[in-house]
Amino acid sequence: QKEVEQNSGPLSVPEGAIASLNCTYSDRGSQSFFWYRQYSGKSPELIMFIYSNGDKEDGRFTAQLNKASQYVSLLIRDSQPSDSATYLCAVTGGSSNTGKLIFGQGTTLQVKP
Amino acid sequence: DGGITQSPKYLFRKEGQNVTLSCEQNLNHDAMYWYRQDPGQGLRLIYYSQIVNDFQKGDIAEGYSVSREKKESFPLTVTSAQKNPTAFYLCASSRGQEGQPQHFGDGTRLSIL
Repeated sequence: QKEVEQNSGPLSVPEGAIASLNCTYSDRGSQSFFWYRQYSGKSPELIMFIYSNGDKEDGRFTAQLNKASQYVSLLIRDSQPSDSATYLCAVTGGSSNTGKLIFGQGTTLQVKP
Repeated sequence: DGGITQSPKYLFRKEGQNVTLSCEQNLNHDAMYWYRQDPGQGLRLIYYSQIVNDFQKGDIAEGYSVSREKKESFPLTVTSAQKNPTAFYLCASSRGQEGQPQHFGDGTRLSIL
């Protein structure tokens, strides 16, 4: 079982719709969760982080965390074509304090005009 | 502007040659990381360093070497022992503590001649 799992997609949504990206992780001790956006040929860019169960909102983005289910998601409201990218979920290793992150393989989002 | 600078942007390696990828940061971050990304894949950790003059192997360290003589700099050498070096190499830095996000440079794309 992979430590951090994401559906590779592509996830295709129409412009203006809500895009829902999901991530599951295996280490129950993980405490910190990050979402990165990566445009084709570019480096990852941090867009959200969440530490506590529940929702965290930042503009059109909402991160949701459920530690009991070992599940973290990213919602993008009013999706725009410029949101088309690969979204990487990253999780800290629960048993260490090294700042290391474990990345999922990413979900490709396509927003169609 | 504070940030992470990777150079060169593109690099070509000949058979049997060692090549060195540069990574410099002026964010005053303690921790630095090197990742490899293959097409359609997530990020895999090569080496990381939490403090000057100390570094640890990541998941795929074979065929690579690093040094951390200065806080700002964490160069990666891809040795001739790395038989499949073609990939996108990403350098990141963070404050190093649990829960701190990593920030990435623009990456170096390495190919075999």
